[in-house]
Amino acid sequence: QVQLVQSAAEVKKPGSSVKISCKASGGSDIGHSISWVRQAPGQGLEWIGGIIPIFGTTNYAQQFHGRVMFTADDSTSTAYMGLNSLRSEDTALYFCARGPAGEPRSAFDLWGQGTMITVSS
Amino acid sequence: QSALTQPASVSGSPGQSITISCTGTSSDVGSYNLVSWYQQFPGKAPKLIIFEVSERPSGVSDRFSGSKSGNTASLTISGLQAEDEARYYCCSPASRSTVVFGGGTTLTVL
Repeated sequence: QVQLVQSAAEVKKPGSSVKISCKASGGSDIGHSISWVRQAPGQGLEWIGGIIPIFGTTNYAQQFHGRVMFTADDSTSTAYMGLNSLRSEDTALYFCARGPAGEPRSAFDLWGQGTMITVSS
Repeated sequence: QSALTQPASVSGSPGQSITISCTGTSSDVGSYNLVSWYQQFPGKAPKLIIFEVSERPSGVSDRFSGSKSGNTASLTISGLQAEDEARYYCCSPASRSTVVFGGGTTLTVL
């Protein structure tokens, strides 16, 4: 049974950068996409973008363009999200979520447990 | 890209049925038969309960059903149970290869 296991919580200063990970453990995860979704405290879900590791293609929400980068390491079944120029509004719980490679936006059937990123001076 | 519009809250008594609407535009909900719905409990990750408008993943109760008409999708929960009390989000592909979520609806079982 594949699980998505995310890295530990991070506390960062405004203006700095962060990189978090999402590892597929417990089985092969070939043929899927990984999207990143965040949830600010008490707020709703916000799609950040996605990556299809087998193709190396990425897609980002307009509001994150230039500040976020997704990468993936097939050898370890791990996806990464880097976010720079952090500001207090980036404080949120960040989830990775699995979708099909064929239509990565169709549905997210498996989610990581979330990584809390706190941006504070 | 604006969030899809959902009611902030809905409520119902055990055994009743409720419906949560999700209104978008012709650029998202209206353009794709790929609306999905997620159930989220406090402090937990969302769980997929409906995909492709009306399909249920294995293991999801058939009390959950989905539909779509034009730019509005709907989630219906029949035979309400206390365990259904959670927050529900709709989701749709949108223009420029993006994804948009609804603002979320809190379901209270009275």
